[in-house]
Amino acid sequence: QVQLVESGGGVVQPGGSLRLSCAASGFTFSSYGMHWVRQAPGKGLEWVAFIRYDGSNKYYADSVKGRFTISRDNSKNTLYLQMNSLRAEDTAVYYCAKDWHKEPYYFDYWGQGTLVTVSS
Amino acid sequence: SYVLTQPPSVSVAPGQTARITCGGNNIGSKSVHWYQQKPGQAPVLVVYDDSDRPSGIPERFSGSNSGNTATLTISRVEAGDEADYYCQVWDSSSDSVVFGGGTKLTVL
Repeated sequence: QVQLVESGGGVVQPGGSLRLSCAASGFTFSSYGMHWVRQAPGKGLEWVAFIRYDGSNKYYADSVKGRFTISRDNSKNTLYLQMNSLRAEDTAVYYCAKDWHKEPYYFDYWGQGTLVTVSS
Repeated sequence: SYVLTQPPSVSVAPGQTARITCGGNNIGSKSVHWYQQKPGQAPVLVVYDDSDRPSGIPERFSGSNSGNTATLTISRVEAGDEADYYCQVWDSSSDSVVFGGGTKLTVL
């Protein structure tokens, strides 16, 4: 069965950096696009970034463009999110999500999320 | 950028029908997907491509999309359906995923 397991969350000071990982199993990771989606405490879902199945194309939300970088290692079945210049408003649970397709469309599986807290 | 508008809350008695709307400019020309999220859990896909259901999702969940409004309909509502529901589209004009603000379904 499909499993997505996020890790790397924690507490970081404003202006700091953090790298999230998402270990995928139960499907052919290299055949599907992947996303990061976040949810601030008590708020709705916010899409963060997408990476094409082969890493050749990436899209970002305006709120993170230039600060966050999505990447993947298909040999390790792992998705990453490098987060730099973190702000208080980046505090959220970050979910890794599998797309149904190679291109962005919809999310058919989600991880359980990892909490990132940006605070001094 | 493209905006999806959902009512913050919908309430319905058990056994009745709940309808959750998602408004957007000419949303009928896009494919709309719906997610259910219960407290402390990750979202779960309940409807994709306007009206299709993933395996394991009860037939009570259905969807429609036309004009400026997409609708998620939950028939014969049960207490276990109480959750937040989000609509979602891919906006090709801005190369971004867009979520609605979410609707909290309360079962009275």
